[in-house]
This record gives sequence, structure tokens and C-alpha cells, in this order.
Amino acid sequence: DGGITQSPKYLFRKEGQNVTLSCEQNLNHDAMYWYRQDPGQGLRLIYYSQIVNDFQKGDIAEGYSVSREKKESFPLTVTSAQKNPTAFYLCASSMTGSAAEQYFGPGTRLTVT
Amino acid sequence: QKEVEQNSGPLSVPEGAIASLNCTYSDRGSQSFFWYRQYSGKSPELIMFIYSNGDKEDGRFTAQLNKASQYVSLLIRDSQPSDSATYLCAVMKGTGRRALTFGSGTRLQVQP
Repeated sequence: DGGITQSPKYLFRKEGQNVTLSCEQNLNHDAMYWYRQDPGQGLRLIYYSQIVNDFQKGDIAEGYSVSREKKESFPLTVTSAQKNPTAFYLCASSMTGSAAEQYFGPGTRLTVT
Repeated sequence: QKEVEQNSGPLSVPEGAIASLNCTYSDRGSQSFFWYRQYSGKSPELIMFIYSNGDKEDGRFTAQLNKASQYVSLLIRDSQPSDSATYLCAVMKGTGRRALTFGSGTRLQVQP
């Protein structure tokens, strides 16, 4: 059963703690992406990776870090430096190329208090 | 000016009518255009993509692209209450980063 999995679905943390969100795909996609969505808003790109061991910053990378050690996995760490971390986090993957369709995982809703 | 602009809505249409959702983009070199549907609390779901000028039809959905006007639209025929959702327009630029830029979405309400 191919797809993108994100865990956990809901995550609660105290302010000042780092937290890592998981994203795994078995679609054999080369590219993976992390987006953030705030209520009533569109998606903003945090980081993306076109190939293993390489990744690029998106529009709102400050306070976040990623790694891409395996093709299937692209974890996102929300650090204590991220000023407003409470949001809905979405992971996506695609083949590379300008025409490649991007598919999303179910998302992780992070609440930091 | 936002890179991808959509009217936030809500756009309200009666059941059975045609819903027309619009999107404009600023990068003239943009190559690929995508429409996603997002139900409240869920992740976006790809429903249409279009690369060439003109119309592309898939069931009740038609995507229309006009690169000269930097305009892409989505028509939903025979709208159903289950089509009520937020529709996100996304654009792949021609140069630079290889990732989609999203509009903020249009909320569609189909009235039974």
C-alpha cells in the first residue's frame, strides 16, 4: 500500500523543547517537502530535498532543521528558536521535474504551550 | 503582490451549478499548475494539473490555463455538497527552486 505517512497525528510540547516530526514515503519519489499551514491560510514551504543528502531552505526555514539520509525519510525538527511553532505541518513527495505532481501525507498538528 | 493569488471566498453555489475558481500568478515563466482540494482538518488532495494553454477535462472538473494572462481556473460542473472544501492553486516556477508555490485558497460552499 503506497503512500506518505506522518507521525504522530497530534503532538503537544512545552515551549523551549525541540520536537521532531516524522515523514516516510514508499512511493520511490526522489523529492520531499515540508510545508506549514496556519488557520485560514495557504501552505508555506519550510524545506525541500530533491535528492538524498541534499536539501534547500524554503520561505520560512528559520527555527527548523531537516535531514535526508534515506530516500524514504525526511524528518523535520522544530527547534526552540521557532517563535510560533503551533501549526499544521504537511509533508509531501514527488518525482523530480517541473511537471511532477506532489502528493501529501496526512499531516501533523503541533501545539506548543 | 503575492506570487499566487486567489479570492478567499467563500464562493457559494447551489447544488448542480457550475463553480468557477480562479487563480492568478506573477511569474511569467511558470511551467506547471495544480489544483488541490482540502477538506477542513485534512491534508490537500491533488485533483487536477495542467501544463499547456487551453482546457483540460477530467470528469466533472475542467482546468483552464491562459499563460498570456497569467491566469488559471478550475470549473466544477454539477457541484455537489461533497465538493464543499477549500481549493488551493499551486504553481511551479520556470526557474529557481523546484517546489510548488501555493495560493491561500478559495473556500467553496455548495448549498443543497
